[in-house]
Amino acid sequence: AQSVAQPEDQVNVAEGNPLTVKCTYSVSGNPYLFWYVQYPNRGLQFLLKYITGDNLVKGSYGFEAEFNKSQTSFHLKKPSALVSDSALYFCARRGDSNYQLIWGAGTKLIIKP
Amino acid sequence: DGGITQSPKYLFRKEGQNVTLSCEQNLNHDAMYWYRQDPGQGLRLIYYSQIVNDFQKGDIAEGYSVSREKKESFPLTVTSAQKNPTAFYLCASSTRPTSGRDQRAYNEQFFGPGTRLTVL
Repeated sequence: AQSVAQPEDQVNVAEGNPLTVKCTYSVSGNPYLFWYVQYPNRGLQFLLKYITGDNLVKGSYGFEAEFNKSQTSFHLKKPSALVSDSALYFCARRGDSNYQLIWGAGTKLIIKP
Repeated sequence: DGGITQSPKYLFRKEGQNVTLSCEQNLNHDAMYWYRQDPGQGLRLIYYSQIVNDFQKGDIAEGYSVSREKKESFPLTVTSAQKNPTAFYLCASSTRPTSGRDQRAYNEQFFGPGTRLTVL
């Protein structure tokens, strides 16, 4: 079965330091991959996606992610973290159809001043 | 939260009652989705609709029902058959995916602000 793993429940980073939120995916078909962010008691907001093309994808709010086929990973990165980046981050991949997304469990990112 | 509204924001239900969660979008999207979010878990798909008057079951459809009579509306009914309905419910919409394998093949989903349902 297709799956997405976010191995860290929580990531703590000091403000101004680079941040990485990890995501790995199951190998099956074309792994269209997505990152979303959720602020407390809010809906999810789209950050970026990888469908095809360049392995490095740039998205909203200064985030980027690198698609690594050999490691089946799609880690989310940002060079310099802001306190306002503190939120819940979800990685997702295409499911059996283009209408279905398989979601990771989420990673809580805490940026400390 | 884009052009998607969900109401109410908080909803309390007594056991044995059916409740209906509203979802409206003004993005002119064909596809709409309902997800359930529980703490420590990713989103789970309840139902989705590709087009008006059509919908399909997702991974956890039991105890839920939907309708899609209008393009902009996709209400979700949580029935008394749903044994553990307390959760955060998210509605989303997107343009219809194409059959290609380029960047247009799969477009991102836009989410509403969610409804938190609590069973008393």
